[in-house]
Amino acid sequence: ETGVTQTPRHLVMGMTNKKSLKCEQHLGHNAMYWYKQSAKKPLELMFVYSLEERVENNSVPSRFSPECPNSSHLFLHLHTLQPEDSALYLCASSHQTSGGRVGNEQFFGPGTRLTVL
Amino acid sequence: AQSVTQPDIHITVSEGASLELRCNYSYGATPYLFWYVQSPGQGLQLLLKYFSGDTLVQGIKGFEAEFKRSQSSFNLRKPSVHWSDAAEYFCAVDLWGNTPLVFGKGTRLSVIA
Repeated sequence: ETGVTQTPRHLVMGMTNKKSLKCEQHLGHNAMYWYKQSAKKPLELMFVYSLEERVENNSVPSRFSPECPNSSHLFLHLHTLQPEDSALYLCASSHQTSGGRVGNEQFFGPGTRLTVL
Repeated sequence: AQSVTQPDIHITVSEGASLELRCNYSYGATPYLFWYVQSPGQGLQLLLKYFSGDTLVQGIKGFEAEFKRSQSSFNLRKPSVHWSDAAEYFCAVDLWGNTPLVFGKGTRLSVIA
C-alpha cells in the first residue's frame, strides 16, 4: 500500500450503531487530519493530530471520537450519529516540523462515504 | 475574517479551450498556497503549490497558477482543457507554513465536447 488509505470506502449505519473509520498513511508523516465534506459546504477540518497528540478540535460534536494510536494510524469512532452527519469523511497526513515554515502539503485518502439512516 | 474565496461555483468549458479558475485570500501576510483536484468519489490530489520565489508555478496535468500579491490571488490556468479534467477544484492556504489548511468552497469544472 502506498499513500493514504481509508477503510471502509462506504458505510451505512443507523443512528444507534457504533462504527469506526480507519485511516493509515504509508508516507512517514507525523501529522494526521480528519475532514468532513458535505454537499454544498466547504471542507470542514474536524481533528488534527501532530506527533500523536490532538492539537485541534474544531468544536466537533462528542458523537465523533478520534483516536491516534501511532503516527501511521488514525481512527474516527462514531456513535449515536444523526442523518446530517452523512458526508464524505476524508483523512489526510503531512509532515510537521517543530518550527519554521516548510509548507504544509497534505496528502489525502480516498475518503469514506458515510450514510446515516 | 480570514478566508479563501473561489467565486465561481461551477464553470463549463469546451474541450480544447483555455481555463482559468479564480482564488482569492484575505490574509495580511503571504500564505502558502495550494490547488487540489477531486474527481468524483475520490480524495483530493495536489496539483501545485506556491511557497516563495517565482510567482508562476507549474503543476501536474499541464496546470499552472500565478500568485499575484497585489490582488491576493492565486488563479489556476490550463491552456487546453481535456475531458478528463472535469472535477472539483479546491484552492487552499496555509497561513504560517505549519498550520492546517483552509480550503475554499471549490469550483466544479464541466467539460463539453
